[in-house]
Amino acid sequence: GQNIDQPTEMTATEGAIVQINCTYQTSGFNGLFWYQQHAGEAPTFLSYNVLDGLEEKGRFSSFLSRSKGYSYLLLKELQMKDSASYLCAVTKTGANNLFFGTGTRLTVIP
Amino acid sequence: GAGVSQSPRYKVAKRGQDVALRCDPISGHVSLFWYQQALGQGPEFLTYFQNEAQLDKSGLPSDRFFAERPEGSVSTLKIQRTQQEDSAVYLCASSYGQNQPQHFGDGTRLSIL
Repeated sequence: GQNIDQPTEMTATEGAIVQINCTYQTSGFNGLFWYQQHAGEAPTFLSYNVLDGLEEKGRFSSFLSRSKGYSYLLLKELQMKDSASYLCAVTKTGANNLFFGTGTRLTVIP
Repeated sequence: GAGVSQSPRYKVAKRGQDVALRCDPISGHVSLFWYQQALGQGPEFLTYFQNEAQLDKSGLPSDRFFAERPEGSVSTLKIQRTQQEDSAVYLCASSYGQNQPQHFGDGTRLSIL
């Protein structure tokens, strides 16, 4: 299988910034996706990185370092509605599906 | 337009029964995926269709699992002779193609008693 590691749980304060890390070890790495999943709901697409560097999209940014096998998702100006699981997923050459980590459950507190 | 639609939303079955789960992808999406998600885990790949062709079924856990997409649109995942370990959320996703964002349905929560 693929070794995709994320912290299991994180807690952060409303209005703050939080960084969720993801490390991976996989042959044939192609790109990395971040998804948000509220309990009982569908995962929703947040970002996609294929090249090294930072991709910014509103309050959310995602970073990738291919040489280090490392990515992070940065959430700014946290809101209560950001409490959810954040899933890191990689794609590989020769495969069409996503390979997911176990997800990081983020709790935003007042 | 409408997103990915899955039905039923919840399914309870007795061990040994057969179940069928339906996925209606986003119109025009060529690629369709089925994933299985256990509680507190990330989704795990089951099978992949490109139009009506099932190109990858390497994730299906046993020959009790069968999926089809006969007209390249709606897909059905069938599980025969269900067992308790089949209890999970089954997610369907569709996309325009390779390395495009996959759009997920809300899933079917399957409970086997």
